[in-house]
Amino acid sequence: EDQVTQSPEALRLQEGESSSLNCSYTVSGLRGLFWYRQDPGKGPEFLFTLYSAGEEKEKERLKATLTKKESFLHITAPKPEDSATYLCAVQAISGGSYIPTFGRGTSLIVHP
Amino acid sequence: DVKVTQSSRYLVKRTGEKVFLECVQDMDHENMFWYRQDPGLGLRLIYFSYDVKMKEKGDIPEGYSVSREKKERFSLILESASTNQTSMYLCASSPAFQGGSYEQYFGPGTRLTVT
Repeated sequence: EDQVTQSPEALRLQEGESSSLNCSYTVSGLRGLFWYRQDPGKGPEFLFTLYSAGEEKEKERLKATLTKKESFLHITAPKPEDSATYLCAVQAISGGSYIPTFGRGTSLIVHP
Repeated sequence: DVKVTQSSRYLVKRTGEKVFLECVQDMDHENMFWYRQDPGLGLRLIYFSYDVKMKEKGDIPEGYSVSREKKERFSLILESASTNQTSMYLCASSPAFQGGSYEQYFGPGTRLTVT
């Protein structure tokens, strides 16, 4: 069974204090790993797709990396507006189903 | 920009009522999804549709049904609402998965309260 585990569940940072969120996965045949941002009371917003180990993608203060077992979302010098829940999802080729499996998310709060 | 809209942001219904949640996407996507999201449980897939009139059960289909008569529209139906169906409901769409790996685009969500 495909599994996605995100850690930590919650993270509090001071503005400017860089850190990383982790998404570890066990799937058979990764097709893609996705990162989303979700603000309170809203739907998730797509951030990145990573396809193979060694791949990296960046957007403003966010950088996503991928290995064969996990992905990291690095946040450099975060600002209060980066506060949100970050969700990871993996899409695998297993049993013919391509439906993504989501982790439970990391709730990030950045204090000014 | 991909746009996914949901018929209501907030909805309050009584136990036993039949509830319709509608979702429309404007990007000609083949796949559409209904999830519910509850604190501590994350996103759970209720139903998935990969084409008009086609549907597949997700992880928690009990108490729900769906309808997809047109490509752009996917409806979630609560046949007889119960208090344990109080939740945030999220619709999403994506291109067909075969041949590639594609991100999902989510609507703003419907906060349903059943009293």
